[in-house]
Amino acid sequence: DTAVSQTPKYLVTQMGNDKSIKCEQNLGHDTMYWYKQDSKKFLKIMFSYNNKELIINETVPNRFSPKSPDKAHLNLHINSLELGDSAVYFCASSQRALETQYFGPGTRLLVL
Amino acid sequence: TQLLEQSPQFLSIQEGENLTVYCNSSSVFSSLQWYRQEPGEGPVLLVTVVTGGEVKKLKRLTFQFGDARKDSSLHITAAQPGDTGLYLCAGATGANSKLTFGKGITLSVRP
Repeated sequence: DTAVSQTPKYLVTQMGNDKSIKCEQNLGHDTMYWYKQDSKKFLKIMFSYNNKELIINETVPNRFSPKSPDKAHLNLHINSLELGDSAVYFCASSQRALETQYFGPGTRLLVL
Repeated sequence: TQLLEQSPQFLSIQEGENLTVYCNSSSVFSSLQWYRQEPGEGPVLLVTVVTGGEVKKLKRLTFQFGDARKDSSLHITAAQPGDTGLYLCAGATGANSKLTFGKGITLSVRP
């Protein structure tokens, strides 16, 4: 069974569209994250949730809105997509903040 | 802002060679993690170091945490093509409950 899963794996869309990425973890972890990895492979945290509560919100445009319906799921909705949003988005989870993070396979977003 | 500088940025070596790569910062970290990311996949944890001066071995990989807990090194003995990947270090502080990642080292081991 996959520990951290994301859907979709690939997402190609037009500028201005709204899209969502879903993430689920079956590890029983309390903390989940969204990271953005740019074309230069730099991995930057966007959001972190602990038991469905937002604990980290980096300087991210408010077009990005995370939602955690329960502690096993953390979804990311993006409004009005821009060219600069093209990147690989990784979901991750850990038992507690700062402990080992388990990453999903990534969602490759391309905005045209 | 805690910054982690990794060097070298790119490294291409022949199978069987040894190598050392570095992760440096001016900040003190409570712990430091090393991850390896293969193409098309997410990062996977290799090791966590916690104590200043700590050395940990994982088969042919040797990780060291600096005495002052500001830097770390990764030494690979007799590199193999399977070691190819992006090596990321990530530092943790209790202050902000997040990991700060370096920009990574892209390693290519040629058969």
